[in-house]
Amino acid sequence: GAVVSQHPSRVICKSGTSVKIECRSLDFQATTMFWYRQFPKQSLMLMATSNEGSKATYEQGVEKDKFLINHASLTLSTLTVTSAHPEDSSFYICSASGQGVTEAFFGQGTRLTVV
Amino acid sequence: GENVEQHPSTLSVQEGDSAVIKCTYSDSASNYFPWYKQELGKGSQLIIDIRSNVGEKKDQRIAVTLNKTAKHFSLHITETQPEDSAVYFCAARDSWGKLQFGAGTQVVVTP
Repeated sequence: GAVVSQHPSRVICKSGTSVKIECRSLDFQATTMFWYRQFPKQSLMLMATSNEGSKATYEQGVEKDKFLINHASLTLSTLTVTSAHPEDSSFYICSASGQGVTEAFFGQGTRLTVV
Repeated sequence: GENVEQHPSTLSVQEGDSAVIKCTYSDSASNYFPWYKQELGKGSQLIIDIRSNVGEKKDQRIAVTLNKTAKHFSLHITETQPEDSAVYFCAARDSWGKLQFGAGTQVVVTP
């Protein structure tokens, strides 16, 4: 199946700093990227959907100025958590779908801990 | 938008018995239904999926059934083993490709 690579897998940052998470589709053109967040013992919750070259569409309750999403190419999308706070500590997972693939493939996930 | 409900939230089974997890969805346009397994501290792994033009799919000990009319789909694990212990998530994908997940089922297989 198609491969989606997400980095970093783990990151610890200080409160107030920003963290960038990368999601790459390695063998297909990802026209659409989805970003999910999962808090402990909860389900994955969709944060935003981004189409290549367009502004991301955010789900209700997700602050677009805090979670910056860039999808400037067909193989790369980034999620930047700006001015991170401890309550942003979570598991972030990207998913990509696009040309030549019939389903969305997930990255490995990034565990963010804000101290 | 799509709304996915998953039951039960926890499921404890004896090793060798079968486990069944059920999900319902609300959007009749949804056309793809994957199931994910998540072990502690790891990302979600796709274990099986089914499309709306198929009623049943099987892969070794795992099977998924889909009832489009009733808008529900189920995961069946037979001959459960301790390594099947994990959290399982169902999901439904709408026509835009957006996945909505169920709340998850914690499966515990006891020896």
